Amino acid sequence: GAGVSQTPSNKVTEKGKYVELRCDPISGHTALYWYRQSLGQGPEFLIYFQGTGAADDSGLPNDRFFAVRPEGSVSTLKIQRTERGDSAVYLCASSYVTSGRYTDTQYFGPGTRLTVL
Amino acid sequence: GESVGLHLPTLSVQEGDNSIINCAYSNSASDYFIWYKQESGKGPQFIIDIRSNMDKRQGQRVTVLLNKTVKHLSLQIAATQPGDSAVYFCAELTSGTYKYIFGTGTRLKVLA
Repeated sequence: GAGVSQTPSNKVTEKGKYVELRCDPISGHTALYWYRQSLGQGPEFLIYFQGTGAADDSGLPNDRFFAVRPEGSVSTLKIQRTERGDSAVYLCASSYVTSGRYTDTQYFGPGTRLTVL
Repeated sequence: GESVGLHLPTLSVQEGDNSIINCAYSNSASDYFIWYKQESGKGPQFIIDIRSNMDKRQGQRVTVLLNKTVKHLSLQIAATQPGDSAVYFCAELTSGTYKYIFGTGTRLKVLA
């Protein structure tokens, strides 16, 4: 079956521009995560959705970052006034359900490579 | 796709040998741990997990060991194959939260 898909696969933008990154989770998965991965580092948690609501957005680095999941399926990560330090791979993952204690396996997408010039 | 792990610790093993990858986790309250494999240009892929009420769990060719006393996790891969070459990450989670914390990763190179 189809896995998690992310678009675009690569995005090059200029400093100060606005970007949107899209994640299509596996059908039926209620939990959705966004992570950021810099070169040579492990993924860094950004935000977690359970259904339509952001249950934990404590990983968003500042108010330039925002994410939505209006219908509980597709999610969009939005970055305003991009900075060179935002350059990274942005990963999305989904799982069937997460209780915060006994979790289902997260399935990751291939990521969007964002480059801010 | 993006290359990961250009400056990561590297473990080189001969094909057919066993591999042991180590991870020191940060939070003594963490009670769920996962190992992921990440190939270049791809997202992390689940390998095996373990809960804090266990100290060992076995899968197909993989074993995870947990030592809560010293906050240490290890992944053992038996009869390492060329397809095992990748970057391996451990991740930890504290119950009641959703914020997975990933380690910095280890690159595994399998020598033919």
